[in-house]
Amino acid sequence: AQTVTQSQPEMSVQEAETVTLSCTYDTSESDYYLFWYKQPPSRQMILVIRQEAYKQQNATENRFSVNFQKAAKSFSLKISDSQLGDAAMYFCAYLGGDTSGTYKYIFGTGTRLKVLA
Amino acid sequence: EPEVTQTPSHQVTQMGQEVILRCVPISNHLYFYWYRQILGQKVEFLVSFYNNEISEKSEIFDDQFSVERPDGSNFTLKIRSTKLEDSAMYFCASRKLDEQFFGPGTRLTVL
Repeated sequence: AQTVTQSQPEMSVQEAETVTLSCTYDTSESDYYLFWYKQPPSRQMILVIRQEAYKQQNATENRFSVNFQKAAKSFSLKISDSQLGDAAMYFCAYLGGDTSGTYKYIFGTGTRLKVLA
Repeated sequence: EPEVTQTPSHQVTQMGQEVILRCVPISNHLYFYWYRQILGQKVEFLVSFYNNEISEKSEIFDDQFSVERPDGSNFTLKIRSTKLEDSAMYFCASRKLDEQFFGPGTRLTVL
């Protein structure tokens, strides 16, 4: 069964600094997708960035980038020039099929990011 | 930009009552999902729905839960007899290809 692990329950970063959130996963599939979602206090799930497993190039979205290491099954999120509005829970998620062909998200337990002024 | 919508945003109910949570997926999507997030915990998969039937469900999705797509646009989650531990955020999601789009969630409070 697929699993997603976020080993950092909480992280802090100074405003304008860079922070990296860790995520590892386990799967026997070769074709899948990985995502980082942001969940602010409103509790809405907001997509931050996505990575297709077949792509070797790391995804980048403005100040957000990932370090995708497929062999190591690692998918970390780097936030550059951190802003107060980045403070939220961040969930790593895996999306892939299983033997029945069903796709569903498997979420990590989340990392709470605090941004210090 | 099309989006998934959910109503109500917050539902308060008494233990033992039935609740129906409503979702309107993005119109050309074919796969629909419900997830649950108990406060302070991770998002958990409940059920997936495709071609008017359940394609997969988790161990959380017991006989108290049911899903329906009554009219081709709405996608509902019914909890027949709510328990205190059903208090959570419930997220609907829909998918056409690979990415799932989440709704804003319904906060269910069971008293």
